[in-house]
Amino acid sequence: DAGVTQSPTHLIKTRGQHVTLRCSPISGHKSVSWYQQVLGQGPQFIFQYYEKEERGRGNFPDRFSARQFPNYSSELNVNALLLGDSALYLCASSPRSGSTYEQYFGPGTRLTVT
Amino acid sequence: AQRVTQPEKLLSVFKGAPVELKCNYSYSGSPELFWYVQYSRQRLQLLLRHISRESIKGFTADLNKGETSFHLKKPFAQEEDSAMYYCALSGQNAGANSKLTFGKGITLSVRP
Repeated sequence: DAGVTQSPTHLIKTRGQHVTLRCSPISGHKSVSWYQQVLGQGPQFIFQYYEKEERGRGNFPDRFSARQFPNYSSELNVNALLLGDSALYLCASSPRSGSTYEQYFGPGTRLTVT
Repeated sequence: AQRVTQPEKLLSVFKGAPVELKCNYSYSGSPELFWYVQYSRQRLQLLLRHISRESIKGFTADLNKGETSFHLKKPFAQEEDSAMYYCALSGQNAGANSKLTFGKGITLSVRP
């Protein structure tokens, strides 16, 4: 298994545009979480989905949305991009929901907003 | 609200020296604490968690609820320990969600 995969690796967008980031969890994992990591900071929780339902939401504006598909892959959408959205976006998967289960992180998508 | 504080950004030691990476937390309930590590050009990965009480790669961490701390320690640092280390917290909510709150991280540099 290649582990958690994310696409694209890098992305450059202009202010006001929207972006879709994709994540494929480890086979058999049903929970996917999204984190934003701004340079010099630790990852910050955005969303968690388990069995296609939202299980947690961080303190992010409504411009951020996500969904999980029947195959447990997930998309993170960001509308009306701002310069401050430039960051590394990490996806993490785990077998099930809850702190008991180890989360496995993907390599991230580097988003640059100009 | 839950918060994790890692007061130092960088720790540089010589090989064989002891290492202590500090982590303090704020949480009203019973937290679950973790240390994650990111080696150069690799993904963020779990190093250890307090409930397992394991020693991983010679690292240990004890949860001190009185001082709200979860410092990471290793008696003799190795060059391969050089990496970025993040302390993280999860509220105990078995089956609810998997939210992790991370600190800002600390870079450990072990010199030969």
